Amino acid sequence: EVQLVQSGAEAKKPGESLKISCKASGYSFANYWIGWVRQMPGKGLELVGMVYPYDSDTRYTPSFEGHVVISLDNSVDTAYLQWTSLKASDTAMYYCARHWGGSFYDYWGQGTLVSVSS
Amino acid sequence: QSVLTQPPSASGTPGQRVTISCSGASSNIGRNPVHWYQQLPGTAPKALIFTNNQRPSGVPDRFSGSKSGASASLVISGLQSDDEADYYCAAWDDSLNGDVFGSGTKVTVL
Repeated sequence: EVQLVQSGAEAKKPGESLKISCKASGYSFANYWIGWVRQMPGKGLELVGMVYPYDSDTRYTPSFEGHVVISLDNSVDTAYLQWTSLKASDTAMYYCARHWGGSFYDYWGQGTLVSVSS
Repeated sequence: QSVLTQPPSASGTPGQRVTISCSGASSNIGRNPVHWYQQLPGTAPKALIFTNNQRPSGVPDRFSGSKSGASASLVISGLQSDDEADYYCAAWDDSLNGDVFGSGTKVTVL
């Protein structure tokens, strides 16, 4: 059974750093892109970026580039999304999802709520 | 502002047919397949339709998708109370070189 299990909710202050995780199981991790999707409170879905575990190719949506970093640990089938300096506007639910092909995401993690407030 | 445009809301009574539109451009829906996701309240999105009109295993055949030109539609036939959710369309955009999502449509069962 394919599963993506994300790390728990986080409460941070502006300027702090954060790394959230997405652990995959039930399939060959290296063979599928993993995407990170942001959903701000009461809003729609936005692709943050994606990573291909096979060769670590990483792509970012322009509006997120330079503010977040997507990384991997293939030894534990896990993808990460990290910030070095959080802003209040980063407050959102973040989902990881397996990219099946043709921009279709077939399995989704349960989401990680990130709250940034002073 | 989302690249793909959806109506903010749609509604129907149990058993009715509801149609949700998704309007794009030649750079996205016009050239690439469309996918649909269902997000029940307080949960993660779930894959509903892929490649315009294909249903993943386990999705009821009450849900169907279609595409024409730079627009797509999701139809829910025989609306049920369990269908109350937000629905999002998505496609690859050749100009932006990335996946784009619709603005989302909230379906209410009256």
